[in-house]
Amino acid sequence: DSGVTQTPKHLITATGQRVTLRCSPRSGDLSVYWYQQSLDQGLQFLIQYYNGEERAKGNILERFSAQQFPDLHSELNLSSLELGDSALYFCASSDGLAGEGYNEQFFGPGTRLTVL
Amino acid sequence: AQTVTQSQPEMSVQEAETVTLSCTYDTSENNYYLFWYKQPPSRQMILVIRQEAYKQQNATENRFSVNFQKAAKSFSLKISDSQLGDTAMYFCAFLPGAGSYQLTFGKGTKLSVIP
Repeated sequence: DSGVTQTPKHLITATGQRVTLRCSPRSGDLSVYWYQQSLDQGLQFLIQYYNGEERAKGNILERFSAQQFPDLHSELNLSSLELGDSALYFCASSDGLAGEGYNEQFFGPGTRLTVL
Repeated sequence: AQTVTQSQPEMSVQEAETVTLSCTYDTSENNYYLFWYKQPPSRQMILVIRQEAYKQQNATENRFSVNFQKAAKSFSLKISDSQLGDTAMYFCAFLPGAGSYQLTFGKGTKLSVIP
């Protein structure tokens, strides 16, 4: 158990809908990262938050957004869902910022999103 | 931008034997970190081993060791005395040493350990 929790474990929805994925980082970790794992694209970095502020963006679609709340949990919002958004979405956390020495990213168990 | 290439989509090994998974990467950075992650059927991403680019000594964690060739930009994972529990997807990943926060992953190698 990495200490990172994600809910829900599984999510099945229809095209055009909107969903919210939730992540609680390890106790004390200030950085949260979101990754998408799909058959087509493999594992891709989406976005990172540090202590409530967005710090880095990767291959995140405009239909997707995220935020980190004062209690440090994070939510990833996916809207206008398409079939191709079906994937495993991972949250990871670390205790600081990359570039300030090495900060291991601890991964949650993932949320499996299926868009029908 | 960095790229990570794993050229072996699938591999198999007999239990108790040794297997080596390959990874190459491309970067203009001089300082960076390399990782091998394991993803068993449970889907959990588990860090197996990491290597700091400034260290010449290859990292070792119990039955897992790496062969890091910085000039060749190669980072292979050797698993000794393979066990059934080693059956999983293995991902090679790259992290810049400064200024970036994102892991770049290879496509993965599916390893099957055969009893």
